[in-house]
Amino acid sequence: GEDVEQSLFLSVREGDSSVINCTYTDSSSTYLYWYKQEPGAGLQLLTYIFSNMDMKQDQRLTVLLNKKDKHLSLRIADTQTGDSAIYFCAGSILTGGGNKLTFGTGTQLKVEL
Amino acid sequence: EAGVAQSPRYKIIEKRQSVAFWCNPISGHATLYWYQQILGQGPKLLIQFQNNGVVDDSQLPKDRFSAERLKGVDSTLKIQPAKLEDSAVYLCASTRREGTPNSPLHFGNGTRLTVT
Repeated sequence: GEDVEQSLFLSVREGDSSVINCTYTDSSSTYLYWYKQEPGAGLQLLTYIFSNMDMKQDQRLTVLLNKKDKHLSLRIADTQTGDSAIYFCAGSILTGGGNKLTFGTGTQLKVEL
Repeated sequence: EAGVAQSPRYKIIEKRQSVAFWCNPISGHATLYWYQQILGQGPKLLIQFQNNGVVDDSQLPKDRFSAERLKGVDSTLKIQPAKLEDSAVYLCASTRREGTPNSPLHFGNGTRLTVT
């Protein structure tokens, strides 16, 4: 099955850019997602990229996909304290039962003043 | 629209006891998922329903875990008997279809289970 790995922690200063990285093993992933989880809450979809794209920009968020290296990144511009959370990347594989998401281990982003 | 509702929010039980979690998905969402999230890890899919049928339960420990969605709406997840390693947050998610970007997964806030 799919394995998805992320670094555990990232600390940035408010106003700087944050880059969260993710590597995955299954090149047949159809879509790759970024989710945000705040303390005590469920996961919130931030953005996604289709596997035949290499970049997607959505306001402060930029997703880069390097299919050759199976590497996905999320860049948050002008990081704010409200961006402090755990960020999960997830790969999606089409199976007989529909889309199956495999989540990474999560990266905790801490934004300091 | 109302979000995915889960209850209880917290549960503490002793090992070998039984526990049940409840989920009410967003109205009209045919697909429902139960995920287990152990502290420090990403969510792991336990079971996926399409209406009242099971689509994928390959990672559900069937000797102790069971889930049902009898009328294709609400769902319950049961653990009997619980083990220490079942301590985790149990997340329910729903989607109109099978979680495509045009129909993303909506997650509830989860039930935090502590087994002592």
